[in-house]
Amino acid sequence: KNEVEQSPQNLTAQEGEFITINCSYSVGISALHWLQQHPGGGIVSLFMLSSGKKKHGRLIATINIQEKHSSLHITASHPRDSAVYICAVAQGAQKLVFGQGTRLTINP
Amino acid sequence: EAGVTQFPSHSVIEKGQTVTLRCDPISGHDNLYWYRRVMGKEIKFLLHFVKESKQDESGMPNNRFLAERTGGTYSTLKVQPAELEDSGVYFCASSQGVVHLGRSPLHFGNGTRLTVT
Repeated sequence: KNEVEQSPQNLTAQEGEFITINCSYSVGISALHWLQQHPGGGIVSLFMLSSGKKKHGRLIATINIQEKHSSLHITASHPRDSAVYICAVAQGAQKLVFGQGTRLTINP
Repeated sequence: EAGVTQFPSHSVIEKGQTVTLRCDPISGHDNLYWYRRVMGKEIKFLLHFVKESKQDESGMPNNRFLAERTGGTYSTLKVQPAELEDSGVYFCASSQGVVHLGRSPLHFGNGTRLTVT
C-alpha cells in the first residue's frame, strides 16, 4: 500500500461541475503539495499546505492534519482543467512522497 | 524568469548504453531535486542537492546512477549502463528554500522521457 493514496484514479465530468479529488496519507508530514500535469507537459505546483485551506481562483485545497487527509476542489470546471492532479507529502527533511495521481477529464 | 529546463526532452537508447540527462534549475535556487516516474507508478524521489552537495541520495536505485552538480548550478544525471527498467520520465525540480516546511514551492522541469530498448 502506497503511503499516499489518491481517489479517484480517474474522473470524468461535464463542464461546470464541482470537482473533488481526495488524498489520504499514512505518514507524519510537514507539508502537502498539490501538483498539476497537463498531457505532454511539465508539472506545475498548485498549492502547498501545512494546515487549513487555500484558494486560488477556482481551485481550493484543504487539509485535515488529524485525519491525514487533503482535498482539492475545482469549482465551475472547464475543459482546460483536464490534467493529472498529483498529491505529494513532504516527509522528513526534503523528500516528497507522491500519490499516483488523478486523471481528470472535463467534457464540454 | 526562466523556468527549470531539462535536456533532452526525449532519449531512446539501447540497453547497455550510457545516457546523461541535464537539468538547469531556476537561477538562485540552491535546492535541486531529481525524481523519476516509471510506467504506471507514482513519481519517486531520487536525490536532493543543496548547492553542489548531495543532501539526500536515498532514492537512487543503484550504482548505475550518478548525479553531479558541479559549481552548484546545473546538474547531470548519468545512467551507465542503462537497463530496460530505467525507462521512464525523469523530472528535475528546484526551490529557493526548504520544501518540507511548505514555505517554498517546487518548480518542475518538463521532464526527460527515457526509453531503453
